[in-house]
Amino acid sequence: GAGVSQTPSNKVTEKGKYVELRCDPISGHTALYWYRQSLGQGPEFLIYFQGTGAADDSGLPNDRFFAVRPEGSVSTLKIQRTERGDSAVYLCASSRRQGARGEQFFGPGTRLTVL
Amino acid sequence: GENVEQHPSTLSVQEGDSAVIKCTYSDSASNYFPWYKQELGKRPQLIIDIRSNVGEKKDQRIAVTLNKTAKHFSLHITETQPEDSAVYFCAASINNNDMRFGAGTRLTVKP
Repeated sequence: GAGVSQTPSNKVTEKGKYVELRCDPISGHTALYWYRQSLGQGPEFLIYFQGTGAADDSGLPNDRFFAVRPEGSVSTLKIQRTERGDSAVYLCASSRRQGARGEQFFGPGTRLTVL
Repeated sequence: GENVEQHPSTLSVQEGDSAVIKCTYSDSASNYFPWYKQELGKRPQLIIDIRSNVGEKKDQRIAVTLNKTAKHFSLHITETQPEDSAVYFCAASINNNDMRFGAGTRLTVKP
């Protein structure tokens, strides 16, 4: 079946602009995670959803970042007033269920470049 | 919060040799420890994981060990092959929730 997909694959924007990044999880996966990966670093946890609700958003760096998952499937990561330091690959992952028995499957990522 | 440290940052071995990557974690409540392999420009892919109720797990040429007392875990790859070359990440979490990753180890296997 289809894996996790993310759109767009690349996004170039100017400092101060607003961007939305989309994640389509594997069908039936109830848990969804967002990470940010800078060059040469490991993925950095941002937020995870169990169903429609954000179960843990402690990784969001500041209030410019927000994520939603209104119907418990597709999720959108929203970044307001983008800064050059927001440039990174944003990865989404999903797992069948919450808890230690659910492998996280990653999407291909969205490469965000803020000029 | 959880802090994961990973060593070494780069590792070069001859084909056929073994490779060992080590990680430490800070939160004693962490109970799930996956390892991911990421090839250049690709997404991370799970290669093996271990839960806190076991001390060792093996899958063909790959094994992971966990020492809960010392809060460290290691990845062992035996009989390395050139296609094992990639960046490897360890991670720790409580129940696979807010996963914290190490900074990665770039493994190069020389033919």
